[in-house]
Amino acid sequence: GDSVTQMEGPVTLSEEAFLTINCTYTATGYPSLFWYVQYPGEGLQLLLKATKADDKGSNKGFEATYRKETTSFHLEKGSVQVSDSAVYFCALKTGANNLFFGTGTRLTVIP
Amino acid sequence: GAGVSQTPSNKVTEKGKYVELRCDPISGHTALYWYRQSLGQGPEFLIYFQGTGAADDSGLPNDRFFAVRPEGSVSTLKIQRTERGDSAVYLCASSLKHGPTEAFFGQGTRLTVV
Repeated sequence: GDSVTQMEGPVTLSEEAFLTINCTYTATGYPSLFWYVQYPGEGLQLLLKATKADDKGSNKGFEATYRKETTSFHLEKGSVQVSDSAVYFCALKTGANNLFFGTGTRLTVIP
Repeated sequence: GAGVSQTPSNKVTEKGKYVELRCDPISGHTALYWYRQSLGQGPEFLIYFQGTGAADDSGLPNDRFFAVRPEGSVSTLKIQRTERGDSAVYLCASSLKHGPTEAFFGQGTRLTVV
């Protein structure tokens, strides 16, 4: 069935370091791909999305490119800040409109 | 309403009791999802509604769990004979029916079974 496999954490980086969080997916058809973020004490919120192959989603300095050939949607940011500390979830929306999540990666950025 | 509303925000119940968790989605959103999130884990899919019908209930862990959405808006997740292992945050989300639209999440209901 459709699923998402996400890099396990936790990830600890110093401020201004480069971030990559890996995400790969298995799906029939052409899913849409999302990154959600959960800041401490807050609910899940959308960070970025991509709806078809080679699309790049971007927001708040984060980027992810929908790679059909490698079935991946890795999250990247060139220079992380302390305020980026959160849990990041990769998610897949199927053609039938169902929505599945990865297990999450906790990022801690230290000054 | 402006966002997805879940009530109660916290629920403590005794083992063996019955509980109902309510979700009020964003107006006009026909897709509604229920997830369960345990500490340190990602949202685990439970059930997905399109309108009034359950389009996919394959994530419900056993027959103690049931959800309804009788009028295609508010949904209730029902858990019978609660067990300590049911303790988790139960999340609800809604989205527009068609297309690769994002799902909007409520703040969740934290269920504790003692």
